[in-house]
Amino acid sequence: DIQMTQSPPSLSASVGDRVTISCRASQSISDFLNWYQHKPGQAPKLLIYAASSLQGGVPSRFSGSGSGTEFTLTISSLQPEDFATYFCQQSYSTPQTFGPGTKVDIK
Amino acid sequence: EVQLVESGGGLVQPGGSLRLSCAASGLSFSRLWMYWVRQAPGKGLEWVANIKQDGSEKYYVDSVRGRFAISRDNAKNSLSLQMNSLRAEDTAVYYCASGKLFYYYAMDVWGHGTTVTVSS
Repeated sequence: DIQMTQSPPSLSASVGDRVTISCRASQSISDFLNWYQHKPGQAPKLLIYAASSLQGGVPSRFSGSGSGTEFTLTISSLQPEDFATYFCQQSYSTPQTFGPGTKVDIK
Repeated sequence: EVQLVESGGGLVQPGGSLRLSCAASGLSFSRLWMYWVRQAPGKGLEWVANIKQDGSEKYYVDSVRGRFAISRDNAKNSLSLQMNSLRAEDTAVYYCASGKLFYYYAMDVWGHGTTVTVSS
C-alpha cells in the first residue's frame, strides 16, 4: 500500500496568512493526488484534484502543486472559513489512501 | 440540489451486521463511480470500498474484504454497504461519496455520514 504523510500535523495561523501544507507519498503517484477540506460534523469537500486542478466553486486562494512523491496545498490568504482539517489522498492505486491530516486553527 | 444521504447506521454488537444505504439525487448516478469512506473517532479518513458505474468492478480495503460488500441499484439511484462480522475497529462515521464525472479518481460529492458503533 502507498503510505501518505503530511506536514505539519497542525498549524496556527491568522486571517490573511499564507499557509502551505505538504504531502508526501511513499512511492511515485504521478499526479494522482487530491486535497480535501473537512470541518467537524460536515461532509468533506474536494478542493484540488489531479494535484493542481481547482475543483469548481472552490476559491482561487487555494492552489495545489507537485508530482511524483511531493505535493503542496497553498492557501494564499487564509480566511475565517478556512479553519479546518486538510487531507491529501492518493488515487494512483488501490487501496486509495489518505494522509493523516493537517489541522489549521486560529492563532 | 445535488446530494447524497446516508442511512442505516447504529449500535451493533461485535460479530453483528448492518446495511448502510446512500440515496443520491441531483446527479447522474449511473455514470459515476461510487465510494464508501470512513472516519474512526479521533482518526483520519479511510477509503473503504468503491464500485464502478455498472457494478462490474468492486474494490475493498484489506481490513474489510470478505466482510463488507458494496453494491448499487442504478434504477433507484442507491448505493449500499452490507457489513458483516463487525468488529470494534469498524466503529466510525461512514461517508458515501461520488467520483467526479470524467475524473473518477477524486470524490467530489459527499454525504454527511452515518455513524456505526460496534460495542457490546
